[in-house]
Amino acid sequence: GAGVSQSPSNKVTEKGKDVELRCDPISGHTALYWYRQSLGQGLEFLIYFQGNSAPDKSGLPSDRFSAERTGGSVSTLTIQRTQQEDSAVYLCASSLQGSYEQYFGPGTRLTVT
Amino acid sequence: QKEVEQNSGPLSVPEGAIASLNCTYSDRGSQSFFWYRQYSGKSPELIMSIYSNGDKEDGRFTAQLNKASQYVSLLIRDSQPSDSATYLCAVNSNNFNKFYFGSGTKLNVKP
Repeated sequence: GAGVSQSPSNKVTEKGKDVELRCDPISGHTALYWYRQSLGQGLEFLIYFQGNSAPDKSGLPSDRFSAERTGGSVSTLTIQRTQQEDSAVYLCASSLQGSYEQYFGPGTRLTVT
Repeated sequence: QKEVEQNSGPLSVPEGAIASLNCTYSDRGSQSFFWYRQYSGKSPELIMSIYSNGDKEDGRFTAQLNKASQYVSLLIRDSQPSDSATYLCAVNSNNFNKFYFGSGTKLNVKP
């Protein structure tokens, strides 16, 4: 079946602009995670959605970052007033409820110039 | 102290040898442990999950967990050049929603 999809695959933006990154999880997966991976680093947890429950936003690095998930499926991560330190690969993962085994999308490489 | 620690490597092993990858974690309340493989420029791919103390085998891979020592490892038997990648250890936090990833160990399997 179809895996996790993300768009765009690459995004180059100027400092100060807003960007939106999209994630489409595996059908039937109720849990959705966003991570950030800087060059040569591990994954940094950003936010977690589970069904219709309130998201766990404890990993968002600043109030410039926000995310929503519509209809329990597609999610959008928004970064406002981008900074150069936001440059990274943003990864989305989904899992079945209660499984915790996460399946990752291909990621969006964000470059802020 | 980082929540999950891994030796960055690179770990070099000859083809056919056993590769041993190690990970320590700080949260004693952690319940779920995972190993992911990440090829250069690609996203992480789940290899193994382990939830109980002891060993869990899946093909050439064996995960080992010791909660008392807060230690989890991955053994790869009969290593192949195609196993060359970065291996990420992931541990859930006491808040089950949140996962911490190590920065990964780079494995090179030499033909």
